[in-house]
Amino acid sequence: SAVISQKPSRDICQRGTSLTIQCQVDSQVTMMFWYRQQPGQSLTLIATANQGSEATYESGFVIDKFPISRPNLTFSTLTVSNMSPEDSSIYLCSALIPPGPAYEQYFGPGTRLTVT
Amino acid sequence: EDKVVQSPLSLVVHEGDTVTLNCSYEVTNFRSLLWYKQEKKAPTFLFMLTSSGIEKKSGRLSSILDKKELFSILNITATQTGDSAVYLCDPLGIGNKLVFGAGTILRVKS
Repeated sequence: SAVISQKPSRDICQRGTSLTIQCQVDSQVTMMFWYRQQPGQSLTLIATANQGSEATYESGFVIDKFPISRPNLTFSTLTVSNMSPEDSSIYLCSALIPPGPAYEQYFGPGTRLTVT
Repeated sequence: EDKVVQSPLSLVVHEGDTVTLNCSYEVTNFRSLLWYKQEKKAPTFLFMLTSSGIEKKSGRLSSILDKKELFSILNITATQTGDSAVYLCDPLGIGNKLVFGAGTILRVKS
């Protein structure tokens, strides 16, 4: 298993500002992911963040809005830029932990973002 | 396009009942299927299924995968109010990218 922490756990931000969310894993992992979960909905993948390469964004998400850093094998950040109320959501990071030939994915505790 | 369909979308039962949650999927280069329980913010991992027909058990929870029919079920016996949550089914496919279903909302009444 793995322990994943996120900071901040929650924040209330004003429209037009940016927030950077940090994700720390207690072991080295190659693949990390960022998800968004809007109220009443399931998780939506924003991007895949592999160390040493540019993040890969899913349809509907762009780097200018959600820049991601992955400076090493245990850490990643997601920035929500130029926020609007529609960005109010829970943001989750996760990491694939390879115990062997198959993979398990573990999630951080999430960041609850409210944009006013 | 990868897709996951979970059923039922929601379910209300009484304590002690047994429930079966269903998950059908279509995923390119399927590797394994994961079940999660989500109560507040972050999902917690329940099971990883890789092989067909091999039941995985953890206490009152069990799950099985059918790779031929592209289907998995999650069973919960003797349900308790603490089982109330959203249960997510997530096949792991190409690029190790999870494809989340909409989830099944389970509410257990005392």
